[in-house]
Amino acid sequence: KNQVEQSPQSLIILEGKNCTLQCNYTVSPFSNLRWYKQDTGRGPVSLTIMTFSENTKSNGRYTATLDADTKQSSLHITASQLSDSASYICVVTFYNAGNMLTFGGGTRLMVKP
Amino acid sequence: DGGITQSPKYLFRKEGQNVTLSCEQNLNHDAMYWYRQDPGQGLRLIYYSQIVNDFQKGDIAEGYSVSREKKESFPLTVTSAQKNPTAFYLCASSPRGGPNQETQYFGPGTRLLVL
Repeated sequence: KNQVEQSPQSLIILEGKNCTLQCNYTVSPFSNLRWYKQDTGRGPVSLTIMTFSENTKSNGRYTATLDADTKQSSLHITASQLSDSASYICVVTFYNAGNMLTFGGGTRLMVKP
Repeated sequence: DGGITQSPKYLFRKEGQNVTLSCEQNLNHDAMYWYRQDPGQGLRLIYYSQIVNDFQKGDIAEGYSVSREKKESFPLTVTSAQKNPTAFYLCASSPRGGPNQETQYFGPGTRLLVL
């Protein structure tokens, strides 16, 4: 069954610190894996996209990594800013699901001054 | 949010009432989607449409209906049959074909509350 699980469910860090969010998926290979950022009360915005053959993808202070052996992706945020406070959602497009996306439940990050 | 707009931002529904959520896009995308988001859960697909005048049920279509009469518009009706409609509703669109086929762009969302 295609599943995407994220941890932790919520996280509080101080401004300027780094953090890592985890995403575990159940089926591989897959078409692509995306990380989205969703501000409160807004729609998700794509941060990174990786194909199954890629190990890492960066977008400014955001770096996504992929470990196909453990079926896990991580999103690293460096030098966090207050504006990083949001939910981060891992989304996988599995081959057996056509163009449909499977969403993780998200990690709610709060950056405090 | 790109070229996708949703309205209203907040919507209140009374018991037994049907309500319609609007979604419009000016990205010339062929495909459009409706998702429901509940706290702590992943987005769940309600309906999707790959082309005008055609749409398919998603994972949780019961109690909802859609239409796709125009390429740029994909309204969602929450019917009285949907017993637990309180949620955040997100509309998305994606181009059809090409390397960006699977990139979905989301609107700002509509929060539906039951009175």
